[in-house]
Amino acid sequence: SQELEQSPQSLIVQEGKNLTINCTSSKTLYGLYWYKQKYGEGLIFLMMLQKGGEEKSHEKITAKLDEKKQQSSLHITASQPSHAGIYLCGADDNQGAQKLVFGQGTRLTINP
Amino acid sequence: DSGVTQTPKHLITATGQRVTLRCSPRSGDLSVYWYQQSLDQGLQFLIHYYNGEERAKGNILERFSAQQFPDLHSELNLSSLELGDSALYFCASSVTQGRAFFGQGTRLTVV
Repeated sequence: SQELEQSPQSLIVQEGKNLTINCTSSKTLYGLYWYKQKYGEGLIFLMMLQKGGEEKSHEKITAKLDEKKQQSSLHITASQPSHAGIYLCGADDNQGAQKLVFGQGTRLTINP
Repeated sequence: DSGVTQTPKHLITATGQRVTLRCSPRSGDLSVYWYQQSLDQGLQFLIHYYNGEERAKGNILERFSAQQFPDLHSELNLSSLELGDSALYFCASSVTQGRAFFGQGTRLTVV
């Protein structure tokens, strides 16, 4: 089945700095989702990418899908304390089994 | 508020016991997914139901079972509980395959 690997596993950045989180799939990506989770809480949907080369932005967060590399990246510009949390990428299992699987997550800490 | 409701929010129970976790999906959503999240395992897919039928299974233990009722709410039953079953259990719902909305989770502590 499909596996998603995120890097880095954790990230500490100074407030105001830019950062990038990567998500690499073991199989072809047909759709990818980015979620954010505050510790111990539910997941909040950020963005969905469906086509190779697609790029979406929401406020200071931009996500891209590179279908050829089976990879997606999440970029945060001018990070703020409100960006802190765990970022998870998810994808539909492309074997048609309709599993929505997730990477291990990237824990982001923003230092003031 | 995602529109997905999970009850209870917290549950403490002893080893060997059985518990039932409940999930009410967003209005109109036919799919319900269940996940287990523990510190060392990340968010693990357990099972997916669509309009009352099981659609996909992950690494769900035989001690665990789920069902989705005609009103589309779902229950996850965990039996013969072990210490290692302590985790956050999430359900998520979606209209079809695609963007899923997550509940706030049930934190299960087995003592």
